Amino acid sequence: EGQLLESGGGVVQMGESLRLSCASSGFTFSRSAISWVRQAPGKGLEWVSGTSGSGTSKYYADSVKGRCTITRDNSKSMVYLEIHDVRHEDTALYFCAKDKSYDIVAGTYGMDVWGQGTTVTVSS
Amino acid sequence: IQMTQSPSALSASVGDRVTITCRASESISNYAIWYQQKPGKPPKILIYAASVLQSGVPSRFSGSGSGTDFTFTITNLQPEDFATYYCQQSLTLPRTFGQGTKVE
Repeated sequence: EGQLLESGGGVVQMGESLRLSCASSGFTFSRSAISWVRQAPGKGLEWVSGTSGSGTSKYYADSVKGRCTITRDNSKSMVYLEIHDVRHEDTALYFCAKDKSYDIVAGTYGMDVWGQGTTVTVSS
Repeated sequence: IQMTQSPSALSASVGDRVTITCRASESISNYAIWYQQKPGKPPKILIYAASVLQSGVPSRFSGSGSGTDFTFTITNLQPEDFATYYCQQSLTLPRTFGQGTKVE
């Protein structure tokens, strides 16, 4: 079924940048869209960003648009999420998740593999 | 697209039948997904395409609906089913989730 492993979380000062990484194994990485989903402490799930299997299509939630960049390196089976000018509201557990589909634009059938998450805490 | 999930929490006992509803702010056809999340764990997909059971998921879980109204049901609730459940729409971007239902 595959596995995902996030890293790069920690304490970051407000206004600074962070880069999260997601390493995959056990599935054909380039055939799957990948998303980042976050969960603030005690709150629900928020989709943050997603990219298609090729990496050419990239989309962002309004809450991070303009501050966030998603990239993927299919040769390394890795996905990255950079957030610039971090805010208190970016404090959350960040999951990467594999979509059941290649393309993220069209309707898809959910995210079937999730990592354990990496925690980001924005400090002032 | 907004996903409005209800109730936000419910109290149930082992053996009970539990029903959660999710309403989309506009039609999403059958692009509704249901996840289960336990504390400290990532979400787990249970149902996709509104009613299709993910491989390996017990048959006591089921989903139905299309358009804007969706229902998720657990029959014969088991001890391991006490968790939070989320609906999600997967038709358009950004993907959006319901607020969650805690089954306790």
